[in-house]
Amino acid sequence: AQTVTQSQPEMSVQEAETVTLSCTYDTSESDYYLFWYKQPPSRQMILVIRQEAYKQQNATENRFSVNFQKAAKSFSLKISDSQLGDAAMYFCAYRSAVHNQAGTALIFGKGTTLSVSS
Amino acid sequence: GAVVSQHPSRVICKSGTSVKIECRSLDFQATTMFWYRQFPKQSLMLMATSNEGSKATYEQGVEKDKFLINHASLTLSTLTVTSAHPEDSSFYICSLVRQGLSYNEQFFGPGTRLTVL
Repeated sequence: AQTVTQSQPEMSVQEAETVTLSCTYDTSESDYYLFWYKQPPSRQMILVIRQEAYKQQNATENRFSVNFQKAAKSFSLKISDSQLGDAAMYFCAYRSAVHNQAGTALIFGKGTTLSVSS
Repeated sequence: GAVVSQHPSRVICKSGTSVKIECRSLDFQATTMFWYRQFPKQSLMLMATSNEGSKATYEQGVEKDKFLINHASLTLSTLTVTSAHPEDSSFYICSLVRQGLSYNEQFFGPGTRLTVL
């Protein structure tokens, strides 16, 4: 079975600074997707960024980028120029791409609570 | 973008009663919906996978007779918590996958906060 591990329960960063959230995963599959989701106090899950395992290039979405190390099974999220609105709980998630994707659920890590100070 | 709605957003009920939570896809048809449960400051735990027109698949440790799932149509799935107890108090989130695109993106409902007294 696949597992996702986030070893940082809490992180903090100052506005305009950069912070990196860690995530490791375990799988025997070769084809999968990795995601970072943001859950603000409203509890609505928001997709931040995704990475296809077959792609070597790290995904980037504006101030958010990932460092995907497939061999090491590591998938960290870097937030640049942090803003107050980035404060939230961040979840790393895995989804198999081997089988029918529509029928395959996300597997989440335990989450990292990010606080941003001014 | 796609929108997923959940109703009610929050509910308070007495112990022993049943509560139904609806999850609707407003923009597209979903053959599969997922139900997650999230306790305070914890992660989302998959409870079951709901398939339109067939029985739901439950994760290990989730009582199928207690958490009844009905995927009545391609846009509606319901989760009924039967004989609710205080330990069932949690945040319930539905999720579904939009097919047909190059990437099957997963969308989440806003969640339902259940409090059992």
